[in-house]
Amino acid sequence: GDSVTQMEGPVTLSEEAFLTINCTYTATGYPSLFWYVQYPGEGLQLLLKATKADDKGSNKGFEATYRKETTSFHLEKGSVQVSDSAVYFCALTRYSSASKIIFGSGTRLSIRP
Amino acid sequence: DGGITQSPKYLFRKEGQNVTLSCEQNLNHDAMYWYRQDPGQGLRLIYYSQIVNDFQKGDIAEGYSVSREKKESFPLTVTSAQKNPTAFYLCASSLSLGQGDRGANVLTFGAGSRLTVL
Repeated sequence: GDSVTQMEGPVTLSEEAFLTINCTYTATGYPSLFWYVQYPGEGLQLLLKATKADDKGSNKGFEATYRKETTSFHLEKGSVQVSDSAVYFCALTRYSSASKIIFGSGTRLSIRP
Repeated sequence: DGGITQSPKYLFRKEGQNVTLSCEQNLNHDAMYWYRQDPGQGLRLIYYSQIVNDFQKGDIAEGYSVSREKKESFPLTVTSAQKNPTAFYLCASSLSLGQGDRGANVLTFGAGSRLTVL
């Protein structure tokens, strides 16, 4: 079945460092891919998405490119801030409905001042 | 601003008691969902509803029940039959396919309810 694999956390970086959080997936066809972010004590919110191969999703300085050849959707940011400390979830769905979304296990990111 | 309101934020329950978690949305979304989040795990779908008066089991429905009497509301009851109920519960909503294809697979989440069984 479909699945999402994220790099294990926690990831700890200093402010202004470059961030990469790896995400690979297994799915037939061409799923839509998502990154959601969960700030402490809150629910998840959509960070970015991509719906077809080579699409780049971007938001708040974060980027991720849909790589069909490597089945990956790695999250990157050039210069992280303390306010980026959160848990990041990679997700996918092959369907138009949200009822079949599959989430990764999440990666906790902590940024030191 | 539109959004999803979950209550209570924290809840303590004794073993053997049923508890009901509230979820209300004013986004005019047809579809609503309940997820369970455990430490180090992704979200697991408990129940979802695509339309009023209809709902379907998700991956881990045993020990839970829901109702969808109004479009805005989708309460979750954690029954005494749920063997390991201590968790963080998240309610979400989305457009349905009938509300337009764009964005029907994007979830909007509430802030969550943390249930602890004593």
